Amino acid sequence: GENVEQHPSTLSVQEGDSAVIKCTYSDSASNYFPWYKQELGKRPQLIIDIRSNVGEKKDQRIAVTLNKTAKHFSLHITETQPEDSAVYFCAASRRGTSYGKLTFGQGTILTVHP
Amino acid sequence: DADVTQTPRNRITKTGKRIMLECSQTKGHDRMYWYRQDPGLGLRLIYYSFDVKDINKGEISDGYSVSRQAQAKFSLSLESAIPNQTALYFCATSAVDRDGYTFGSGTRLTVV
Repeated sequence: GENVEQHPSTLSVQEGDSAVIKCTYSDSASNYFPWYKQELGKRPQLIIDIRSNVGEKKDQRIAVTLNKTAKHFSLHITETQPEDSAVYFCAASRRGTSYGKLTFGQGTILTVHP
Repeated sequence: DADVTQTPRNRITKTGKRIMLECSQTKGHDRMYWYRQDPGLGLRLIYYSFDVKDINKGEISDGYSVSRQAQAKFSLSLESAIPNQTALYFCATSAVDRDGYTFGSGTRLTVV
C-alpha cells in the first residue's frame, strides 16, 4: 500500500517568514495530493490540493509543488501569520478509482511567532 | 448546513468495556471512513466503506469493527477497549466524483 512520509515534524518561524513542509510518497500510481490544516481542538480542513497532471498550484499565500519523478510534494506558505499556526497534514491517493482513500503523513506542527 | 456529526465528543471508558462511536452525515456522500489520530503518527485509516454493502479494513483494523447502517451512518466499535486505543477518532466522508474529505468534529476516547 501507499506510504507517506512528512518532514519536519515541528517547524517554528517568525511572522513574515516563509514555511516549507515536504512529503514523499511510495505509490507511483497516486495522483491526488491534498493538504489539510488542523487548528487546535478542531477537525482537519482541506486548504489546497494538486493533481498529478500539474506541477504547481497557488492560492494566495499558499502553494503546493509536485515532483512526480522523485515522488515528493511540498507545501509553501509565504508571509506567515500567527493564525497559520496549526498542524498540517499531507496525503496521497489514487483519484477516481475504488482506491480513493487517503493515506496521510505524520503531520507537522507549525508555530508562527509574532 | 450539511455536515458530518460524531457522537460522543469525549468519552472515558474502562479497559475491557465495549464502546461504540457513531458518525452521521447530511452531505449525501457515499464514501465514509474512520481514522485515528495519535501525536507523531498522523491520521491512520481503521475502516472504510464505499457504499452501504461495502466494508473494507484499513491499515489498523485489529481490535475494531464497523457497521454501515445506512448511507448516512457509519459506526465504529471497540469490542473490548484497551489503553492503547486511547486516541482522537475522526469520521470522514467523500463523494464519488470529488476527491477531498469532510471530517467530523472528532471523538476523544480515553481508555483507563
